[in-house]
Amino acid sequence: AQSVTQLGSHVSVSEGALVLLRCNYSSSVPPYLFWYVQYPNQGLQLLLKYTSAATLVKGINGFEAEFKKSETSFHLTKPSAHMRDAAEYFCAVTEGDYGGSQGNLIFGKGTKLSVKP
Amino acid sequence: DTEVTQTPKHLVMGMTNKKSLKCEQHMGHRAMYWYKQKAKKPPELMFVYSYEKLSINESVPSRFSPECPNSSLLNLHLHALQPEDSALYLCASSQDRGGNTEAFFGQGTRLTVV
Repeated sequence: AQSVTQLGSHVSVSEGALVLLRCNYSSSVPPYLFWYVQYPNQGLQLLLKYTSAATLVKGINGFEAEFKKSETSFHLTKPSAHMRDAAEYFCAVTEGDYGGSQGNLIFGKGTKLSVKP
Repeated sequence: DTEVTQTPKHLVMGMTNKKSLKCEQHMGHRAMYWYKQKAKKPPELMFVYSYEKLSINESVPSRFSPECPNSSLLNLHLHALQPEDSALYLCASSQDRGGNTEAFFGQGTRLTVV
């Protein structure tokens, strides 16, 4: 079964600094991986997704993530943090293309990003 | 239109009340989902509808009753809830249930059971 592990429940950076949010996956089949962002009292918004087309995936709001099979990782980065990036970030994997649970999102526990002025 | 609309945004209900949460999308998506999210936790899948048929019920108590009247609408009927059911309830939709299709989420309904 697929799963994702997010390292660090809380990450704090200064405005303008590099953002790095870590996600490692476990999957017996090629995974589909996603990063979602959740602002306070809001739903989830897709930042980017990996579906095997390219290992470096660019998303919205200046975020990108690199799929590294050898490291089973899909870390999220942004070169320069903005105050508006403060939110909860979830890494997720879907349960493949077949079977009763196909397409179901499995979320990591989330990482709260704080941005200091 | 890439929105999933949920109503109401906030709901306070007593343990003997009956209420319903509503979700609507007009993207032509054929898969719709209900998630429950407790504070500081990730969303947990409750129900999945595919082509208006219930595909998955993740062992959710019967006091939660989903309904999919048509391909654009998804309801969650609530009855005799407990205080521990207080949470953010999120609706989502996707084009289909393929593993690589992205899910679009609504803003959620913040439910408080008193």
